[in-house]
Amino acid sequence: GESVGLHLPTLSVQEGDNSIINCAYSNSASDYFIWYKQESGKGPQFIIDIRSNMDKRQGQRVTVLLNKTVKHLSLQIAATQPGDSAVYFCAEIRTYNFNKFYFGSGTKLNVKP
Amino acid sequence: DSGVTQTPKHLITATGQRVTLRCSPRSGDLSVYWYQQSLDQGLQFLIQYYNGEERAKGNILERFSAQQFPDLHSELNLSSLELGDSALYFCASSVEGDLYNEQFFGPGTRLTVL
Repeated sequence: GESVGLHLPTLSVQEGDNSIINCAYSNSASDYFIWYKQESGKGPQFIIDIRSNMDKRQGQRVTVLLNKTVKHLSLQIAATQPGDSAVYFCAEIRTYNFNKFYFGSGTKLNVKP
Repeated sequence: DSGVTQTPKHLITATGQRVTLRCSPRSGDLSVYWYQQSLDQGLQFLIQYYNGEERAKGNILERFSAQQFPDLHSELNLSSLELGDSALYFCASSVEGDLYNEQFFGPGTRLTVL
């Protein structure tokens, strides 16, 4: 949802486990969603996206689930690796209104070897 | 390396001053986006340019302005700087102007206003 800040929640997982990161978005009119990964000292990096006419999309080791009923988005990372350690945040976009582009505050994923 | 370059990497200045941040998009990308990331506000979309024209405007203050030049590089001008403007400023680029195109982010410029 809209950026608020900011004490980032942390998710700690063991290497090899699956991770689930959640995001609640703010507006039911949002029609496009993106998950980003941001490593320390770097810019955000696109991971996966989903349009509102879908409820699931899979990439390499990642799956995004969209539940429009409760305005909830999740990112599942399979077989989490130490290189997955980063802050993950979602973006909700109303593509018909370019002013409406909001980022969630993020979740810090800590992968323990 | 995303292919997007930003200069300078770090900038320290005083309140009331004006600075210019520069962004070079990936080769072939026509659209440039500017974002501000601060500790208390997270990432916020400021403005988008597509092929030299302003395409979308987000939470950009009136003290801030941007432009995209014919060679497609972009500059973000911040004036009458305040302490609260201290943040990381990211530029991103995409092939076209439509938000469905993947955006590639630069490494950012860290601005500190003292």
